[in-house]
Amino acid sequence: GESVGLHLPTLSVQEGDNSIINCAYSNSASDYFIWYKQESGKGPQFIIDIRSNMDKRQGQRVTVLLNKTVKHLSLQIAATQPGDSAVYFCAEDKGANNLFFGTGTRLTVIP
Amino acid sequence: GAVVSQHPSWVICKSGTSVKIECRSLDFQATTMFWYRQFPKQSLMLMATSNEGSKATYEQGVEKDKFLINHASLTLSTLTVTSAHPEDSSFYICSAGAGTGFSREQYFGPGTRLTVT
Repeated sequence: GESVGLHLPTLSVQEGDNSIINCAYSNSASDYFIWYKQESGKGPQFIIDIRSNMDKRQGQRVTVLLNKTVKHLSLQIAATQPGDSAVYFCAEDKGANNLFFGTGTRLTVIP
Repeated sequence: GAVVSQHPSWVICKSGTSVKIECRSLDFQATTMFWYRQFPKQSLMLMATSNEGSKATYEQGVEKDKFLINHASLTLSTLTVTSAHPEDSSFYICSAGAGTGFSREQYFGPGTRLTVT
């Protein structure tokens, strides 16, 4: 069946280091993926997205990599800051903007 | 731009009562809005898709008679939890799509925390 899951539920990094958050998906037909950041008690906040015809997309301090061969998605955060501490979700667009969210990874930045 | 608001941000109600949650797109029109539920330390689960001017589409396992959705205009969708029970206590989040071109991004509201006592 379809699923979007995360390899690690928690991740701790030192301030200034790079963070890598991983996500696996099973629907090879999916053509659009989004990473969201959710702080405690708030709604998800868009970080970056990528279409299946791309392997990599960069934003400000963030990069998303898509490996369609192994159905794997990753979010890289450069020079991680305390304000990056949150839960990160990958989401798969199943069509018509119908998003399926992964389990989530809690990122903790150690000062 | 592309701001989505929810009201109220939190609500406490007694078991058996009904609660209405509003979702508004403040600076754009949304023909489709989405309602999610999130339990503590869990992911977001899509409950239903709200379509302006027509009936909502519910995900499997979501009771349409319990979670009433009305999308009365292009900027407002409401979710009414009827005859609420403690197990309905959760964080309810709405979203609306506003992306064009490359992006099919959804913008999320800040969420409404419902506690049923």
